[in-house]
Amino acid sequence: DAGVTQSPTHLIKTRGQQVTLRCSPKSGHDTVSWYQQALGQGPQFIFQYYEEEERQRGNFPDRFSGHQFPNYSSELNVNALLLGDSALYLCASSRTGQGVLEQYFGPGTRLTVT
Amino acid sequence: AQTVTQSQPEMSVQEAETVTLSCTYDTSENNYYLFWYKQPPSRQMILVIRQEAYKQQNATENRFSVNFQKAAKSFSLKISDSQLGDTAMYFCALIGAGSYQLTFGKGTKLSVIP
Repeated sequence: DAGVTQSPTHLIKTRGQQVTLRCSPKSGHDTVSWYQQALGQGPQFIFQYYEEEERQRGNFPDRFSGHQFPNYSSELNVNALLLGDSALYLCASSRTGQGVLEQYFGPGTRLTVT
Repeated sequence: AQTVTQSQPEMSVQEAETVTLSCTYDTSENNYYLFWYKQPPSRQMILVIRQEAYKQQNATENRFSVNFQKAAKSFSLKISDSQLGDTAMYFCALIGAGSYQLTFGKGTKLSVIP
């Protein structure tokens, strides 16, 4: 049973560019959440997707957007990259109604903006 | 708004000894869940233990146990018989029962010394 997978593992982008990160949830999960973890900090909630719609959003600008596909996989898009967007981006999946009990995390994508 | 505070940036413990990590939180929710997550150098966030706020009994998972003091809004993690594999960042996290957003503390870096 594959857990949560994310791609790519590492990514280097230039300020002003756009980036897309991908996440495949754990088998049987239908909900995907995205978190940003800056160096030395705890993860911060970006948003959650369920039934292909954004269900809840954290305190992040509109430059951060997402999408969920019918197979429950998800993408995180960040436009007009800033140096401060450099971080580890974590994806977490859960089953409907079980999200408060446990979210399964992927290994993350390390984004470096130069 | 919810906040989670971990006041110990780094801790160390001798192998086979016991260590306690501290966490305090603030929330206006009546019903919520508290978690300790472990993040080893591999970056994969792993759930260690979970506590439902409406349960008075402290949660226990093998060598891991919590001391949940609801009135004091305190949620500490005790690791008994520490093992080298326990070396990791430990994050305390909170989610309201009606929410989809995990709120994390800044983490405590635990080193287990042989």
